[in-house]
Amino acid sequence: AQSVTQLDSHVSVSEGTPVLLRCNYSSSYSPSLFWYVQHPNKGLQLLLKYTSAATLVKGINGFEAEFKKSETSFHLTKPSAHMSDAAEYFCVVTLPTPNTGNQFYFGTGTSLTVIP
Amino acid sequence: GAVVSQHPSWVICKSGTSVKIECRSLDFQATTMFWYRQFPKQSLMLMATSNEGSKATYEQGVEKDKFLINHASLTLSTLTVTSAHPEDSSFYICSARGSTGGGQPQHFGDGTRLSIL
Repeated sequence: AQSVTQLDSHVSVSEGTPVLLRCNYSSSYSPSLFWYVQHPNKGLQLLLKYTSAATLVKGINGFEAEFKKSETSFHLTKPSAHMSDAAEYFCVVTLPTPNTGNQFYFGTGTSLTVIP
Repeated sequence: GAVVSQHPSWVICKSGTSVKIECRSLDFQATTMFWYRQFPKQSLMLMATSNEGSKATYEQGVEKDKFLINHASLTLSTLTVTSAHPEDSSFYICSARGSTGGGQPQHFGDGTRLSIL
């Protein structure tokens, strides 16, 4: 079985304070994990990816995520929120499939609001 | 690198019209392209997966005769919504991947907002 759960549908933080967006996964395989960000009426932009190398992954725009196998988590963090971080964030896990390589499974998304 | 261009970004047309959306990988060869549909405030719903030169694999519940997908080259896939009706109005997003390796991310276009009157 394969699934990904984003625990919060909406997170609000004040500008300059830390951001934590939570993601848990279940997988029978060693997963590849990704975080994407989507601004309104835009496609998805890759923030960072975990592919069985270092467990602490650094991404763009100051974001990072830590893969914790014991907790089956891949939470996204940023030390200090910026107004431009307000967007929808998706956690994604991949599962190998016979014909198309790896299929992506999307979380339901977390909407981040940054309060000035 | 890894830029995906999707065109058009916005379409408004009358009911019964067929609409074609293009997805191009600009700086890499896309062995696999994906088409998603996204409803407001929701996650992406995979519609179909296409490999270059092969027929697309459609997800359950997606009408293949309604949503025609062509992936004739390693840099271009098209989605044609045939005889579109108001219920087809949505945000359609394509993505492309350069290889089938487990760690390879998908690279997304900017989406197409389709509004059927």
